[in-house]
Amino acid sequence: GENVEQHPSTLSVQEGDSAVIKCTYSDSASNYFPWYKQELGKGPQLIIDIRSNVGEKKDQRIAVTLNKTAKHFSLHITETQPEDSAVYFCAAIEAGTALIFGKGTTLSVSS
Amino acid sequence: NAGVMQNPRHLVRRRGQEARLRCSPMKGHSHVYWYRQLPEEGLKFMVYLQKENIIDESGMPKERFSAEFPKEGPSILRIQQVVRGDSAAYFCASSPSKNTEAFFGQGTRLTVV
Repeated sequence: GENVEQHPSTLSVQEGDSAVIKCTYSDSASNYFPWYKQELGKGPQLIIDIRSNVGEKKDQRIAVTLNKTAKHFSLHITETQPEDSAVYFCAAIEAGTALIFGKGTTLSVSS
Repeated sequence: NAGVMQNPRHLVRRRGQEARLRCSPMKGHSHVYWYRQLPEEGLKFMVYLQKENIIDESGMPKERFSAEFPKEGPSILRIQQVVRGDSAAYFCASSPSKNTEAFFGQGTRLTVV
């Protein structure tokens, strides 16, 4: 089955800096890679996703890149703000199965 | 269009009791997924259901745990004879079809005393 590794587990940045979170997956058949943001006491919120036929996707300050050959994908947040502080999870899925998540990255943005 | 609704938000059970967690998917969504999250840990897949069918239950303990998603009504995750180790946040997600965006509810926080 699929296995997703996520790094780093914690990340501290200054407001305005960029943050990068990286994930690797094991199953080459996986073809959908979402990212979720979870704030304390709340459910995970989908923030961006990418499919295996695309190498990069951007939505305002958030971007995701995918390298199918190396089986890794990354989340990039530019111009970070204090409200970006949360736990971020990457996930991967193969058709017909359920999302498998990484262990999460706690992002702290200090002003 | 309301999001994924889970209830109750908080549930306290004594050891040995039964816990029933409910999940109403988003309108038009027929795929439901249950995940368990321990404090400061990731989301562990438990079970994937489609209306009236269990598609994948590979992440669910063989004993005491069961799940259903009937033709009418919410999906139910049932934990019998709860133990302290069952204390966790249980999240439900739904999607309109397989391999598409999945949206999560706010979770049920189960505490076993």
